Amino acid sequence: DTAVSQTPKYLVTQMGNDKSIKCEQNLGHDTMYWYKQDSKKFLKIMFSYNNKELIINETVPNRFSPKSPDKAHLNLHINSLELGDSAVYFCASSLRGESEAFFGQGTRLTVV
Amino acid sequence: QQQVKQSPQSLIVQKGGISIINCAYENTAFDYFPWYQQFPGKGPALLIAIRPDVSEKKEGRFTISFNKSAKQFSLHIMDSQPGDSATYFCAAVDTGFQKLVFGTGTRLLVSP
Repeated sequence: DTAVSQTPKYLVTQMGNDKSIKCEQNLGHDTMYWYKQDSKKFLKIMFSYNNKELIINETVPNRFSPKSPDKAHLNLHINSLELGDSAVYFCASSLRGESEAFFGQGTRLTVV
Repeated sequence: QQQVKQSPQSLIVQKGGISIINCAYENTAFDYFPWYQQFPGKGPALLIAIRPDVSEKKEGRFTISFNKSAKQFSLHIMDSQPGDSATYFCAAVDTGFQKLVFGTGTRLLVSP
């Protein structure tokens, strides 16, 4: 069973489009995250949610809007996609108070 | 203050050699220091971790050394194998804030 699963794995889209990435975890964790990994492999946190409540919102353009319908799901919606949004986006989860975070396989977003 | 500095950026080691990756942090609120291993096309996976009240932790061929006063920690991979070839990230966690900050990554290549 996949612990943290993201869909889709690959996403190619044109500039200006709106797209969503979905994430689900079956670990019973209460905290979920979105990370962006750029072409230089640098991993930067974008958002984190605890029990559906936003707790970390780094300086991310407001074209990015996370949504957590329940504590097992955290989706990322991106409006008006730009070339610079091309990256690999990772979802992760953990248990608040515990330190280990589990990552999904990533979604490679390519904006053309 | 939220940065974690990691070096070297890339490392080539012969099979059977020792791989050493170093990290330094500034924020004294960090209280958990994991290392993640990432293979191409995969998400980061926890390799080994240490808390600041311990100076060393060993799991198999992997050892973390931690120097609290210098705010530095390092990963040693003994008897490096070609299967260890991957990108390694150090990280630091402020468990109160549930924020995981990554280093810039080290691409390790173990030559046969």
